Amino acid sequence: DAGVIQSPRHEVTEMGQEVTLRCKPISGHDYLFWYRQTMMRGLELLIYFNNNVPIDDSGMPEDRFSAKMPNASFSTLKIQPSEPRDSAVYFCASSLELVGTGELFFGEGSRLTVL
Amino acid sequence: RKEVEQDPGPFNVPEGATVAFNCTYSNSASQSFFWYRQDCRKEPKLLMSVYSSGNEDGRFTAQLNRASQYISLLIRDSKLSDSATYLCVVRSGGSYIPTFGRGTSLIVHP
Repeated sequence: DAGVIQSPRHEVTEMGQEVTLRCKPISGHDYLFWYRQTMMRGLELLIYFNNNVPIDDSGMPEDRFSAKMPNASFSTLKIQPSEPRDSAVYFCASSLELVGTGELFFGEGSRLTVL
Repeated sequence: RKEVEQDPGPFNVPEGATVAFNCTYSNSASQSFFWYRQDCRKEPKLLMSVYSSGNEDGRFTAQLNRASQYISLLIRDSKLSDSATYLCVVRSGGSYIPTFGRGTSLIVHP
């Protein structure tokens, strides 16, 4: 079975440019999460969706960040304009449920470098 | 105070050693606890859940102490392949959203 698929795996861009990260969750998973990981702050939850609906976006740093989930098999995280402090690994994860084990299945991550 | 705290390490141990990590959580209403493992430049993966009565999976033992609000992970007979970062994850009642600690780095050397 295919796991969570993220693209691009690596992106290097210049400050001010728009960045779009993409995620395809595991089929049948109702929950989708976007996390950001840095050395300083660890894994931070940015936003999560339930059945394509954004439930909690309190972790989104500021208005430069936006996320959408137009259907059950696709989500995007957009940064516009990007800044050097946005450099991090962005993980998408999906989960069948939140109760019980509620295991999170992560994609391989998108490593973003903003110059 | 951060919701989930871990000693970042690194813990540097020889093969065969026993090593233990602790993780403290601040929300007394936390209900579910897990350990995830993250290899260098890879994604996190579930290692094991932590049950109130404690649980064991081969060389790995996880325990929960609700009174002191910490969970632990014990690794016996360490292998080189155990080298990784171990992430503590807590889910609190209500939203059940998983919150990750920053992780504890383990290096097992020959």
